[in-house]
Amino acid sequence: AQSVTQLGSHVSVSEGALVLLRCNYSSSVPPYLFWYVQYPNQGLQLLLKYTTGATLVKGINGFEAEFKKSETSFHLTKPSAHMSDAAEYFCAVSYSSASKIIFGSGTRLSIRP
Amino acid sequence: DAGVIQSPRHEVTEMGQEVTLRCKPISGHNSLFWYRQTMMRGLELLIYFNNNVPIDDSGMPEDRFSAKMPNASFSTLKIQPSEPRDSAVYFCASSLGAGQGSGELFFGEGSRLTVL
Repeated sequence: AQSVTQLGSHVSVSEGALVLLRCNYSSSVPPYLFWYVQYPNQGLQLLLKYTTGATLVKGINGFEAEFKKSETSFHLTKPSAHMSDAAEYFCAVSYSSASKIIFGSGTRLSIRP
Repeated sequence: DAGVIQSPRHEVTEMGQEVTLRCKPISGHNSLFWYRQTMMRGLELLIYFNNNVPIDDSGMPEDRFSAKMPNASFSTLKIQPSEPRDSAVYFCASSLGAGQGSGELFFGEGSRLTVL
């Protein structure tokens, strides 16, 4: 069965510091992997996705994620945090274009001035 | 371009009342999804439609919940009778494609429901 685990329900970093949000998945077949962002009082917005091809995926707002099959991970990073990055981030997995997306429980990112 | 439009944004009602949430998907999208978000259970898929036809309603909690999509530009989620445990934020999302697995879901801003 598919599942996705986000390590850490809350991550706090200083402005300008590296952002690292962790995501591990379990899937019996090659997965599709996604990161969504949810700003306060808004719906989710696709940040980036991996389907096939290059394992390093670049998204909006300077975020990127790397698919590591050997580690079953898809961690989200950003070299330098900005105050506007404060939001809830959701990792998600599916195994085909016709299947359900399974969302993780989310990680709330706070940015310290 | 207009995104997914949901109404109402906020609804406060009393236990036992009927609640109807509405959604207008992005024009041209042929799949529509209803999600519920709570602190305890996170984001749950309730039901999804493809070309106005319900494909998977296994996430609908019980018979008090029903959803319809009479045409490509409108969907409703109804709760009758409502209970306090239904309090949550309900999201509608749409996508271009037959399923949700491609990942490009476009979410509305949500309807925050409080049942007293």
